[in-house]
Amino acid sequence: NAGVTQTPKFQVLKTGQSMTLQCAQDMNHEYMSWYRQDPGMGLRLIHYSVGAGITDQGEVPNGYNVSRSTTEDFPLRLLSAAPSQTSVYFCASRRSGFNGYTFGSGTRLTVV
Amino acid sequence: AQKITQTQPGMFVQEKEAVTLDCTYDTSDPSYGLFWYKQPSSGEMIFLIYQGSYDQQNATEGRYSLNFQKARKSANLVISASQLGDSAMYFCAMREAGGTSYGKLTFGQGTILTVHP
Repeated sequence: NAGVTQTPKFQVLKTGQSMTLQCAQDMNHEYMSWYRQDPGMGLRLIHYSVGAGITDQGEVPNGYNVSRSTTEDFPLRLLSAAPSQTSVYFCASRRSGFNGYTFGSGTRLTVV
Repeated sequence: AQKITQTQPGMFVQEKEAVTLDCTYDTSDPSYGLFWYKQPSSGEMIFLIYQGSYDQQNATEGRYSLNFQKARKSANLVISASQLGDSAMYFCAMREAGGTSYGKLTFGQGTILTVHP
């Protein structure tokens, strides 16, 4: 089915480990973004991309890297995981000129 | 400064009654869009309704309507005839069109709605 696919759904990391959260969409959406959701704080933007090869920082970018080599994929890399990065991560995409955002189902990350 | 403020951490409503969830926003961009999302306990983000800053009429989608008061910078969600399945977290969000904000959604803190039978 068309949409935004996030993998994995759940992940436990040890402090200092690195990992990549995957996000893929098959709707040819130009705009993709990563959010983290923490209790009482809503969703906060980590990084976003307006097209292949173009990325920019959001509100809380520290500790995360992104790249956009293709229109379809927008992976989020945690360089050295910290307990403060324990959160639920959402990827979202949007087609230019349209209002609707499509969200993935989320990745629940725990850093111990 | 908070761009999106939801002042109700939790709301309770009786089944079949209407409920209003509050949202105020702050922007100097004349072109912006306002969104409401529902997040049930399963965790997915479900789009409910959208209002553009230049839209003359309030948006409606089935039982959902958006009470848009531009001068007050408020975009309250009204759910009519509440159902048990409406129990969820509700987020208000804004997208500003201009400058470096293009495309980015800014979310409020959310309101947990509980519908009682």
